[in-house]
Amino acid sequence: QLQLSGPGLVKPSETLSLTCNVSGYSVRRTNAYWGWVRQPPGKAFEWLGRIYYTGSTEYNPSLRGRLTISVDASANEFSLKLASVTAADTAIYYCVRPLRGAVLQDWGKGTTVTVSS
Amino acid sequence: EVVLTQSPDTLSVFPGENITLSCRASHTVHTNLIWYQHKPGETPTLLIYGASTRATGVPARFSGSGSGTEFTLTISSLQSEDFAVYFCQQYNHGPWTFGVGTKVEIK
Repeated sequence: QLQLSGPGLVKPSETLSLTCNVSGYSVRRTNAYWGWVRQPPGKAFEWLGRIYYTGSTEYNPSLRGRLTISVDASANEFSLKLASVTAADTAIYYCVRPLRGAVLQDWGKGTTVTVSS
Repeated sequence: EVVLTQSPDTLSVFPGENITLSCRASHTVHTNLIWYQHKPGETPTLLIYGASTRATGVPARFSGSGSGTEFTLTISSLQSEDFAVYFCQQYNHGPWTFGVGTKVEIK
């Protein structure tokens, strides 16, 4: 089970921070991937990035280096930090557990993030 | 990146009907395609991966087919709980990309 937490409102140019707590599964389990996707209003889902149980990461190039995904094994959770947000980052954000790195079997309940001053 | 185009945008049908939804890729994705079901206020549900493999617990009335750039999701004898948005995702080329979805509504 994935439980997402974080602010619903972020000011432009600030950093969005979201955390996904994992229960029933270790974030360090061999071959586990963890990831983030979002859905802007009226648009398709967008794949943001993923982190492997080893800590290696892959990010969507469209985010131009603004995204950092990390794991906190002691808390059994993983996090997203998106820097320099703009209105274009307004979306419903989801944390996910992608099987084989890409098949989104498990989803956390989405959280709406609005970027506005 | 690979662009996924879904059609139609909306499909109005009666319960009990059979329907076919389309997902077309701008470049070949082989069979690395997934279908999800998304109901308002809920998280998406994985239906099909590998273009045609049903996920655990998915009823047999859902079937996927296709390869390369053309894919279909067929739902036989539509049930009331099947009215939702269906969207596809490719995982052949990074970054993974998604279609906008087809809304299946009650006629």
